[in-house]
Amino acid sequence: NAGVTQTPKFQVLKTGQSMTLQCAQDMNHNSMYWYRQDPGMGLRLIYYSASEGTTDKGEVPNGYNVSRLNKREFSLRLESAAPSQTSVYFCASSVLRHSSLRGMGYEQYFGPGTRLTVT
Amino acid sequence: KNEVEQSPQNLTAQEGEFITINCSYSVGISALHWLQQHPGGGIVSLFMLSSGKKKHGRLIATINIQEKHSSLHITASHPRDSAVYICAALMDSNYQLIWGAGTKLIIKP
Repeated sequence: NAGVTQTPKFQVLKTGQSMTLQCAQDMNHNSMYWYRQDPGMGLRLIYYSASEGTTDKGEVPNGYNVSRLNKREFSLRLESAAPSQTSVYFCASSVLRHSSLRGMGYEQYFGPGTRLTVT
Repeated sequence: KNEVEQSPQNLTAQEGEFITINCSYSVGISALHWLQQHPGGGIVSLFMLSSGKKKHGRLIATINIQEKHSSLHITASHPRDSAVYICAALMDSNYQLIWGAGTKLIIKP
């Protein structure tokens, strides 16, 4: 199993350019997440998908869109990149969002991250 | 005030020392998630626990739901344990994870 994979690993964009970050998981997980991590700050949730066919905003969704293409894949799109979007982006997945086992099933597994610089 | 607070923010210790990292939260939770972020950036899940204690190798995580507090302990610390340790609280209202800012641990040989 590859676990959670992300592409690309690094990207440099000019202000106003667009790009899509790809994420895929092969663990048959239902839920997928996109986070950004900035220096000195904790992980902040951008968008998540509780299950195939659904997406919801997280803490910092402005400037981003997502697509849950199928159960395996969850992409993050920057339509018009801004320097404030310079960050490290992580994709994660978890087995399911609602579980009869208290707290279990929410353990998140992370991809290796994408380091994005917007100039 | 952040809903999830970690302490200390930074910790430097000598190899072999017993390490304790604390996580306090102010919201009602179903479980607490501990993760490790390697110097290279990768994030690895360590524990998800909702009560009592869990142990994996030299790592021990405990939680006291009534006191809204969890600890991560590392016994016989080693330089390879140097990493950022992150706790995240799983809110029981909406099952969202609230993330702590992390504790940067450096173990010197």
